[in-house]
Amino acid sequence: EVQLQQSGAELGKPGTSVKLSCKVSGYNIRSTYMHWVNQRPGKGLEWIGRIDPANGNTIYAEKFKSKATLTADTSSNTAYMQLSQLKSDDTAIYFCAMGAGYFDYWGQGVMVTVSS
Amino acid sequence: DIQMTQSPASLSASLEEIVTITCQASQDIGNWLAWYQQKPGKSPQLLIYDATSLADGVPSRFSGSRSGTQYSLKISRLQVEDIGSYYCQQAHSNPRTFGGGTKLELK
Repeated sequence: EVQLQQSGAELGKPGTSVKLSCKVSGYNIRSTYMHWVNQRPGKGLEWIGRIDPANGNTIYAEKFKSKATLTADTSSNTAYMQLSQLKSDDTAIYFCAMGAGYFDYWGQGVMVTVSS
Repeated sequence: DIQMTQSPASLSASLEEIVTITCQASQDIGNWLAWYQQKPGKSPQLLIYDATSLADGVPSRFSGSRSGTQYSLKISRLQVEDIGSYYCQQAHSNPRTFGGGTKLELK
């Protein structure tokens, strides 16, 4: 059974960074893409970007190019996303998801709250 | 970027009713379209991929169709467990983009 287990909720101060993790079990992440998607409170889904864990290649949505940094550790089968220079409108649930074109499997989501 | 315009934004329907949600792509995306269901407080789940293919374990009352650049998700007989939000997503090109979502409620 494929499972994506995300790290716990984060509370960050404005201007700081947080790093989220997504550990995959039941599937080798070298064979797929790992995506990150956010959902602001009461809003829809927004794609942040994706990483190819086999070679580290990344693609970002334009608005997240200076906000998010995606990495992956194939030895631990884990994907990471660092969010930098946090602002109040970064407050959202962040999901990791796995798949080539579509998002076949999703993590449970992690709430990131930005507040001083 | 490819824009996905989803309608309606909200929908109230009765049990056993037929429900249809549509998504209009801003350009040709072929069959590169998925539908997701998100129940309150949960992560989204893949329902339909390649515009018309049912994901594993998804009940057959769900179906997808395409007419040009317009895509539809149909629930043939609404059940209480179908309540939630639905999103379309194009997988034709990057950045991947979602429709704005449809919140489905029971009448």
